[in-house]
Amino acid sequence: DAGVIQSPRHEVTEMGQEVTLRCKPISGHNSLFWYRQTMMRGLELLIYFNNNVPIDDSGMPEDRFSAKMPNASFSTLKIQPSEPRDSAVYFCASRNRDRDYEQYFGPGTRLTVT
Amino acid sequence: AQKVTQAQTEISVVEKEDVTLDCVYETRDTTYYLFWYKQPPSGELVFLIRRNSFDEQNEISGRYSWNFQKSTSSFNFTITASQVVDSAVYFCALSEANYGQNFVFGPGTRLSVLP
Repeated sequence: DAGVIQSPRHEVTEMGQEVTLRCKPISGHNSLFWYRQTMMRGLELLIYFNNNVPIDDSGMPEDRFSAKMPNASFSTLKIQPSEPRDSAVYFCASRNRDRDYEQYFGPGTRLTVT
Repeated sequence: AQKVTQAQTEISVVEKEDVTLDCVYETRDTTYYLFWYKQPPSGELVFLIRRNSFDEQNEISGRYSWNFQKSTSSFNFTITASQVVDSAVYFCALSEANYGQNFVFGPGTRLSVLP
């Protein structure tokens, strides 16, 4: 299995630009999670989906952030417009909630907003 | 609400020493799951172990062992004969079975194993 795939691995953009992060979960997994990791705040859950449906988006910082999961094999996290304080590593994770409870993480996307 | 505390922010040991990383959790659920993840300097998050709340057996995997005690709400992680490759940030996490099933991670403990 290829594991969770995220792209891009690194993104540098200017303040005000739109940023789209992509995630492909492990095949057969039915839950998907987006996290943000910073030195100040640690690992924060932004949103998670069960069977492609958003369940809890209370961690999404503000309206500039949006996430979609159009099908079981793809999800996006969009920031528009981006701000320097959005600079962080964004992780996507997936799991099979009917069988296991552990999440498997992608390699992360390091976002830098200048 | 669920909460995970890792009181040790940073630990430094010399190679071959044993080290224990502490994890204390709070939950309102009677069924829950505890996890440990490792984040090496390369940045990825690696799943190490899951423990179910109804199974208090301790587990050993090579140099790693985990001590789960419901009475003290703790799930501690011990590395025996530490090696430089064990240097990483270690996260403890909790997931409640009946309240949303999302994860809560502790703040992490940075372990440095010196040669």
